[in-house]
Amino acid sequence: EVQLVESGGGLVQPGRSLKLSCVASGFTFSNYGMNWIRQAPGKGLEWVAYISSGSSYIYYAETVKGRFTISRDNAKNTLYLQMTSLRSEDTALYYCARSDYDGFYFDYWGQGVMVTVSS
Amino acid sequence: EIVLTQSPTTIAASPGEKVTITCRASSSVSYMYWYQQKSGASPKLWIYDTSKLASGVPNRFSGSGSGTSYSLTINTMETEDAATYYCQQWSSTPPTFGAGTKLELK
Repeated sequence: EVQLVESGGGLVQPGRSLKLSCVASGFTFSNYGMNWIRQAPGKGLEWVAYISSGSSYIYYAETVKGRFTISRDNAKNTLYLQMTSLRSEDTALYYCARSDYDGFYFDYWGQGVMVTVSS
Repeated sequence: EIVLTQSPTTIAASPGEKVTITCRASSSVSYMYWYQQKSGASPKLWIYDTSKLASGVPNRFSGSGSGTSYSLTINTMETEDAATYYCQQWSSTPPTFGAGTKLELK
């Protein structure tokens, strides 16, 4: 069974940093691209970042480019999102999601981790 | 980026009723993907490659479309179908989602 378990969220002040983790199990993590997708309270879904299976390809949403860094450790089956210079508009539930083998949709999602940016 | 516009924003349907949700893209896309999200839960892949049902999705659901116009149809509404449905494209980066259609039980 595919499982994605996020952690690392919490309350953080504007301008500070936070690092999210997503531990994967139930599939060969190193074979799949991975994503972070967020959902602000009461709002829709917003894709944040993608990293290919071997970390060769990395893409970011314009709203986070230069502030967030996606990375992965295939030996630890873990995906990361380093978030810096956080803003109130980054407040959201952050999901880790697996890309399908061709990379164009999100076939498994974690339960999400809440990030609240507030003073 | 490609903007996806879903309609309606909200719809209420009675059990047994046919429901259609539309997703229009600002530029042509090759495929459309759909997700179901129930309150307090993570989104689930529902339809992929425009018309293929994800594992476990009842066959009363169907997807269709091409170019800039796509749709998700429920042949006969059931109570368990009440949820928010999102369309998504990745014909060009960044991948984008529609704003969602909330399907309520009448």
